[in-house]
Amino acid sequence: DTAVSQTPKYLVTQMGNDKSIKCEQNLGHDTMYWYKQDSKKFLKIMFSYNNKELIINETVPNRFSPKSPDKAHLNLHINSLELGDSAVYFCASSPGQGRHEQYFGPGTRLTVT
Amino acid sequence: AQTVTQSQPEMSVQEAETVTLSCTYDTSESDYYLFWYKQPPSRQMILVIRQEAYKQQNATENRFSVNFQKAAKSFSLKISDSQLGDAAMYFCAYSRGNNRKLIWGLGTSLAVNP
Repeated sequence: DTAVSQTPKYLVTQMGNDKSIKCEQNLGHDTMYWYKQDSKKFLKIMFSYNNKELIINETVPNRFSPKSPDKAHLNLHINSLELGDSAVYFCASSPGQGRHEQYFGPGTRLTVT
Repeated sequence: AQTVTQSQPEMSVQEAETVTLSCTYDTSESDYYLFWYKQPPSRQMILVIRQEAYKQQNATENRFSVNFQKAAKSFSLKISDSQLGDAAMYFCAYSRGNNRKLIWGLGTSLAVNP
């Protein structure tokens, strides 16, 4: 059974396009996250939702908009894609209730040409 | 602000031998959590081991163990009987607070030589 899934795993698109990445977790966790990993492997938190409420909103261009329809889903929509948006985007979830570990999806490699 | 430092960008080990990856962190908090994650070439981020700061006992998961020195703010990962499948990027991470935000180190790339 897949715990944290993301679609698509690969995304190639042109500058200026709008794209979405979807994330679902079947672990019953209460908090979900989006991370960006750049070419040097540095991981940067972008957003976090707890039970559909935004709790972390780091300094991210407002072209990036997260949406959480329910606590099992957290999607990321990106408008007007730029070359610098090329990266791997990871979704993760965390159980809460005193537990801080996060479980990651397989990542989405976004390439903007 | 909390920071996590991994001072070894790259390391290598012979198969079946033991290697230790270093991690130090900076915090003024007393209650927090520490993690080691592994990222193999497949890019999947895999939780290797976790440590709660309030626990004095070092965490162990099979061949992976940590040396947690709270006063020194040090959290090293020891891999025993290294296997080829251990080759990966290893990240140290720190978390505290209700939002459970992870603060990441820059990673250590581990090569395992046959």
